[in-house]
Amino acid sequence: DSGVTQTPKHLITATGQRVTLRCSPRSGDLSVYWYQQSLDQGLQFLIQYYNGEERAKGNILERFSAQQFPDLHSELNLSSLELGDSALYFCASSVAYRGDTQYFGPGTRLTVL
Amino acid sequence: ILNVEQSPQSLHVQEGDSTNFTCSFPSSNFYALHWYRWETAKSPEALFVMTLNGDEKKKGRISATLNTKEGYSYLYIKGSQPEDSATYLCAFISTNAGKSTFGDGTTLTVKP
Repeated sequence: DSGVTQTPKHLITATGQRVTLRCSPRSGDLSVYWYQQSLDQGLQFLIQYYNGEERAKGNILERFSAQQFPDLHSELNLSSLELGDSALYFCASSVAYRGDTQYFGPGTRLTVL
Repeated sequence: ILNVEQSPQSLHVQEGDSTNFTCSFPSSNFYALHWYRWETAKSPEALFVMTLNGDEKKKGRISATLNTKEGYSYLYIKGSQPEDSATYLCAFISTNAGKSTFGDGTTLTVKP
């Protein structure tokens, strides 16, 4: 158990819908990262927040957005969902802004039908 | 676009064999390299954080080396065991950005 929690574990929804994935980092970690793993693809970095502020952005679609709240938990919002958005979404946390060990949560499996 | 490549893509070895794989990354703007182990149906677990050229890290039977000047890192597993079966990922962090760029991983299968 890494100490990073993600909810929900599984999510099944329809195309065009909007969902919110939630992540609570390890106690004391200020950075939260979001990753997407689609079928037969590696881990793709989406976005990073550090102490409430966006710090780095990857290939995140405009339909996706994220934020980190004052209590340091983070939410990833996915809207106008498409079939291709079906994937495993991981959240990771670390103490520092960069270079630190990242601790991964168990992931949220999103299925868009 | 940062290119992080891992080879081989997959590897099948017998229990007791020693093995190694490679992670290649840009030799400029290096900040850190991470190695992760990712077992099926679990999430990636950190193995090593490497920051200095010439770094060597060891955890049990697994060790890693780093050459930042030529842009590669090796991961070695001595005396592979079936429980070592997993995908091993490397992630490059540059000085230009905080994000991690992951390789596609090397999937190791150790047969008893």
